[in-house]
Amino acid sequence: GAGVSQSPSNKVTEKGKDVELRCDPISGHTALYWYRQSLGQGLEFLIYFQGNSAPDKSGLPSDRFSAERTGGSVSTLTIQRTQQEDSAVYLCASSPPGRADTQYFGPGTRLTVL
Amino acid sequence: AQSVAQPEDQVNVAEGNPLTVKCTYSVSGNPYLFWYVQYPNRGLQFLLKYITGDNLVKGSYGFEAEFNKSQTSFHLKKPSALVSDSALYFCAVRDPKGTYKYIFGTGTRLKVLA
Repeated sequence: GAGVSQSPSNKVTEKGKDVELRCDPISGHTALYWYRQSLGQGLEFLIYFQGNSAPDKSGLPSDRFSAERTGGSVSTLTIQRTQQEDSAVYLCASSPPGRADTQYFGPGTRLTVL
Repeated sequence: AQSVAQPEDQVNVAEGNPLTVKCTYSVSGNPYLFWYVQYPNRGLQFLLKYITGDNLVKGSYGFEAEFNKSQTSFHLKKPSALVSDSALYFCAVRDPKGTYKYIFGTGTRLKVLA
């Protein structure tokens, strides 16, 4: 079956521009996570959505970062006024009901801020 | 604060030899522990997890990990390494009393030599 998909696969932007990254989770998965993978720094938790509950936004690094999940499915991560330190691979993962501890990751979006 | 350490940036092992990828953690109480693998040009894949019960957990592709509470470790092991096991391995931890906020290590690159 279809896995988690993310778009675009690569995004190059100029400092100060806004970007939107999209995640399509596996159909039926209720939990959705966003992570940032920087070189040599592992995965950094950004935000977690579970069904209709309020998201856990505790990992968002600044108020320039926001995310939403519409209709309990597709999610968009928005970065406003991008900075060079935002350059990283942004990963999305989803989990099925009752198995929130088993995450299925997408291929990621590589963001480069010039 | 929760943390995960993967003390080795890279591990080299000869094909057919046993392999160990180390992980130590710092979480109050009884943690949930995970291993993920990232093959070249592919997304992160779930390998195994420890929630409760037997300290030796078996996972995908012949991997296993042993939870050692006294040493706060969760080392990944395989009795006989394959060249195809060469990849980036991530250890992760979650405090079950908290939200689904996972803390990932910085990753260990495993290179299996033919």
